Amino acid sequence: EVQLVESGGDLVQPGGSLRLSCAASGFTFSPYGMNWVRQAPGRGLEWLSYINGPSSTMYYADSVKGRFTISRDNAKNSLFLQMNSLRAEDTAVYYCATSTGHLNYWGQGTRVTVSS
Amino acid sequence: DIVMTQSPDSLAVSLGERATINCKSSQSVFYSSNNKNSLAWYQQKPGQPPKVLIYWASTRESGVPDRFSGSGSGTDFTLTISSLQAEDVAVYYCQQYYNIPRTFGQGTKVEIK
Repeated sequence: EVQLVESGGDLVQPGGSLRLSCAASGFTFSPYGMNWVRQAPGRGLEWLSYINGPSSTMYYADSVKGRFTISRDNAKNSLFLQMNSLRAEDTAVYYCATSTGHLNYWGQGTRVTVSS
Repeated sequence: DIVMTQSPDSLAVSLGERATINCKSSQSVFYSSNNKNSLAWYQQKPGQPPKVLIYWASTRESGVPDRFSGSGSGTDFTLTISSLQAEDVAVYYCQQYYNIPRTFGQGTKVEIK
C-alpha cells in the first residue's frame, strides 16, 4: 500500500524557516516525480513545487520561488521542502503527492502556521 | 499560467440525481503527442487529502465508482456524478497538468438537497 507521511509542520514566526519531510513507503520511490501542494485554511489547492526522480529537474510556483527549495533522498525514500522567509500567507496544510502527470497519491498533510 | 475556472461554485443535488461540474481552462490542455487532454479531477472530503477520481480527462482511477465520469476536450471539461450518493458530499477540483505551474480550479462544493 502506498503511504506518504508528511512531518515538520509547526508554528513559526514571520521571516522564519521550516523544513518539511515526506516519508514514502509501499512503492519504488526513486523513479517517481514528487510534488508539494498546499491548502490555506478554507481555501483551495495550490501546487508549489515538483522534483523528478533523479533530482535533475525542479519547478516552483512563482509564489514560493526563491524562498522554498524542494529536494529528495532516494536512498531514504524521502522528500523535503525547505521553506525560508516565511510569511503569514504561507499558513496552510502542506501535502506531498506523487505524480505521473496527475497527482496519484497524497499524504495526509502537515500544518504550517506563520504567526507572531 | 493556465487559469482553471469551475462552475458552479456549489450545488445541491437530491440523492440519486445527477450532479454536473464544469471546468474551463484558459488555453487548451490537449497534448498532441499522445492525443490526450492533461486534465484531472479530484475529490476532497472534509479533513482528508484530495483523491484522484479521473485523469486524462476521462480515465477513471482504479477503484473509483463508475457513477463518476469525465468528459470534454481542449478547454471545456465536465465531471458527472450520475446518481449522487451521500458519500459523494465533498469539494471537487479540476487540475491541468499540461504545463508548469500546475493549476487547480477553485473547487465546487457538492451537497445533498
